[in-house]
Amino acid sequence: SYVLTQPPSVSVAPGKTASITCEGNNIGSKSVHWYQQQPGQAPVLVISYDRDRPSGVPERFAGSNSWNTATLTISRVEAGDEADYYCQVWHSSSDHYVFGTGTKVTVL
Amino acid sequence: QVQLQESGPGLVKPSETLSLSCTVSGGSISGYYWSWIRQPPGKGLEWIGYIYDSGSTNYNPSLKSRVTISVDMSKNQFSLKLSSVTAADTAVYYCARDGGVAGRLEGYFDYWGQGTLVTVSS
Repeated sequence: SYVLTQPPSVSVAPGKTASITCEGNNIGSKSVHWYQQQPGQAPVLVISYDRDRPSGVPERFAGSNSWNTATLTISRVEAGDEADYYCQVWHSSSDHYVFGTGTKVTVL
Repeated sequence: QVQLQESGPGLVKPSETLSLSCTVSGGSISGYYWSWIRQPPGKGLEWIGYIYDSGSTNYNPSLKSRVTISVDMSKNQFSLKLSSVTAADTAVYYCARDGGVAGRLEGYFDYWGQGTLVTVSS
C-alpha cells in the first residue's frame, strides 16, 4: 500500500510562514491534494492538483510537489489557520484514495 | 449548493453491523463517485471505500472483507454497512463526493458531510 508521511506537528508565530511536508515514494508523479480540518468539523479542500486553490481559499495557501515530497506553505499565518492538515493522493495502481498521517499546526 | 448528510445509529454493539446512510441534496447522485471516510477520535482520516452511480465499488483492502457500500438512486442516497464491528471501529464517519463530473474520477473530495460519531460498545 502507498504511505504518506507528515510531521505530527508544526508550530509557527503569527505573521510567519508554516511549511507542512508530505512524503511518499515518487509522490512527484502524483497529484497531491490538501485539506484543512478545524476542531469538530469536516475537512475542507484548500489545495488541489499540487497547487490549485479552490474558490475562497486565501492566496496565503500554496502548494508544491517534487520527487518524494509535497509541501503546503501557509504565508502570513493567522490564528484562524490553527488546524489539522492532511495531504491526499489518488493511488491509481490500486484505485484507492490515500490520506497522509496529518499535521497539527499550532499558532504560537 | 450540494449538501451531504450522514444518518444512522450512534451506538452499535460489538460483533454487530454498523449501518449508515448519506443523503445528497442540492444535486444529483448520478455521475459522481461517492465515498465513506472515517476518523477515530484523535486520529487521522481513513478512506473506507467508494461507489459510482452504476453500483461499481472499490474498498480499502484493510476493511474490504467487512464493508459493503450501496446506492439508492431513487432516494439520492448511498449507504455503508460494516460488519463484525469492534471498539476499533469507533470513529466519526464522513461521506464525501469526488470532485470529478460526468463520470470522471478526479481523486479528491470537494464536498463532505458534517460527520457522524459511531461508538462501538456494549
